[in-house]
Amino acid sequence: DADVTQTPRNRITKTGKRIMLECSQTKGHDRMYWYRQDPGLGLRLIYYSFDVKDINKGEISDGYSVSRQAQAKFSLSLESAIPNQTALYFCATSETGTGNNEQFFGPGTRLTVL
Amino acid sequence: QKEVEQNSGPLSVPEGAIASLNCTYSDRGSQSFFWYRQYSGKSPELIMFIYSNGDKEDGRFTAQLNKASQYVSLLIRDSQPSDSATYLCAVTKGSGTYKYIFGTGTRLKVLA
Repeated sequence: DADVTQTPRNRITKTGKRIMLECSQTKGHDRMYWYRQDPGLGLRLIYYSFDVKDINKGEISDGYSVSRQAQAKFSLSLESAIPNQTALYFCATSETGTGNNEQFFGPGTRLTVL
Repeated sequence: QKEVEQNSGPLSVPEGAIASLNCTYSDRGSQSFFWYRQYSGKSPELIMFIYSNGDKEDGRFTAQLNKASQYVSLLIRDSQPSDSATYLCAVTKGSGTYKYIFGTGTRLKVLA
């Protein structure tokens, strides 16, 4: 079974719709992250959370919000989707106190906003 | 200047050759450096990390770090067609933080 799962894996929606992307992990990690990936721009951090009560904005948080419902769950919402939010979205996790702070990525959600 | 810079490629090497991938970064406070491999349409997976100046070897992979020059590289020996992928360099932002800054990646093609 995958350690980091994302749902849905693919989503096509229309401009103005509210969308929620969900991430769950069974790794027991305390830190969770949301990234988006665009061709030529690489992976960019949207939000990150170091525990359930700690939420932080990344470099491109405008137009997005997040919820850390539990240590294992971290959701990303687009309140009113727009076409330039079309991208591949990744959730990642890491564990405090490990020497290398390796981040483990979920399989990704491909979002298309028409 | 981008915080983490990589040549987008593609870098083409024949099977069995050494592939050399390079990355420069701008934040002198960065302490941890990572190389991820990403196959098309898949998620990134960690292949190497390095903290200290010098070389770190793991199988066919060697990471090299030069903090004075703000440069990190990845060497892949005996390149195989299965190594064909995009290689992402990631650098922690500042000292004592756990936020990554990713480069845009270098696409590697190993020709059989």
